[in-house]
Amino acid sequence: QKEVEQDPGPLSVPEGAIVSLNCTYSNSAFQYFMWYRQYSRKGPELLMYTYSSGNKEDGRFTAQVDKSSKYISLFIRDSQPSDSATYLCAMCTGTASKLTFGTGTRLQVTL
Amino acid sequence: NAGVTQTPKFQVLKTGQSMTLQCAQDMNHEYMSWYRQDPGMGLRLIHYSVGAGITDQGEVPNGYNVSRSTTEDFPLRLLSAAPSQTSVYFCASSLGLAGGRTGELFFGEGSRLTVL
Repeated sequence: QKEVEQDPGPLSVPEGAIVSLNCTYSNSAFQYFMWYRQYSRKGPELLMYTYSSGNKEDGRFTAQVDKSSKYISLFIRDSQPSDSATYLCAMCTGTASKLTFGTGTRLQVTL
Repeated sequence: NAGVTQTPKFQVLKTGQSMTLQCAQDMNHEYMSWYRQDPGMGLRLIHYSVGAGITDQGEVPNGYNVSRSTTEDFPLRLLSAAPSQTSVYFCASSLGLAGGRTGELFFGEGSRLTVL
């Protein structure tokens, strides 16, 4: 069983929809939780970062962490075609270089 | 700033050949790491370094060597290439988590390797 599970998709939604992306994990030592966005043939870029359980909002993006359920989510409001990318959840125990990633969910936002 | 620079961007090798993937960063980051990305497997950590002269193994280190003689450079060596090492390789660097930092990894553009 992988430490981090993520549905690979693909997920196709119309422009303006609310998107929900999720990951579950098994290692209770994970303390830091991140979402990276990766456009085709590019390196991943950090989108959201959270340390504790709860919600964190940044513009159209909301990251949610539930440590008791070992479950994290990313919500995208008013989705745009430019949001079309692969979204990777990532987490670590405390060593910045040692992130464990989910497999990534490919999102397509259509006009 | 250039950020994280990886070379080459594309490489084709024959089974048994060796090669080095180069990675350089100009952000004075202490932390550097190498990941490979395969379909359905996500990004998997190969080796990482917490500073010059210090390296450690990640999840999938077999068949790869690294060294860190300077803060800026972190090359990845394939000792004897195998078809199973066909992948996209990403180098990343970070300032770390101390001092309330996010530990954000800055990635290079990737190196696409095919082993025949």
